[in-house]
Amino acid sequence: EAGVTQFPSHSVIEKGQTVTLRCDPISGHDNLYWYRRVMGKEIKFLLHFVKESKQDESGMPNNRFLAERTGGTYSTLKVQPAELEDSGVYFCASSQDSAAVLYQETQYFGPGTRLLVL
Amino acid sequence: AQSVAQPEDQVNVAEGNPLTVKCTYSVSGNPYLFWYVQYPNRGLQFLLKYITGDNLVKGSYGFEAEFNKSQTSFHLKKPSALVSDSALYFCAVRGLGGYSTLTFGKGTMLLVSP
Repeated sequence: EAGVTQFPSHSVIEKGQTVTLRCDPISGHDNLYWYRRVMGKEIKFLLHFVKESKQDESGMPNNRFLAERTGGTYSTLKVQPAELEDSGVYFCASSQDSAAVLYQETQYFGPGTRLLVL
Repeated sequence: AQSVAQPEDQVNVAEGNPLTVKCTYSVSGNPYLFWYVQYPNRGLQFLLKYITGDNLVKGSYGFEAEFNKSQTSFHLKKPSALVSDSALYFCAVRGLGGYSTLTFGKGTMLLVSP
């Protein structure tokens, strides 16, 4: 079974440009999460999709970040315009849909996209 | 609010010796605790989790973790370290107060010397 995949693995852009990150969850997983780790700090939650709906986007830093999950399959995270502080590793994770035990579910992570904004 | 503390930025241990990576947490209600490992240039890999039941949880690659409610700790352990265990280890907690969120610690770098 294929794991969570993310594209690209690395991205280097200039301040003010736009970058779009993609995540393909494990097949059949309704829950999709985005996290970010900035330079040696904690991994921080960004948002959570259940199928195509945003369940929780409380971690999104500002309106320069836009996440979509059309059709409830893959997801994209767009940063427009990118700022220096957006640099970091963006992780995607997925888990199966079992709402009754959501707290107990294991989230499976992708390899991450390393974003560097110059 | 829920939080996780990993007090050591780095742990050094010789191959064959036991290892412990420390984690303490703060959460409302019952905690759901997780350990993940990140090998160089790789993503986060799930190691083990505590949901309920036995306080000693066994996971992948010979790792185990002990849940201690009174000390609010969930330390990761392995009886005999391997050089290949060298990686970055993250402890995470999920509680009823955070419906979706896994809250992570800063991570602990484990270095196992030959």
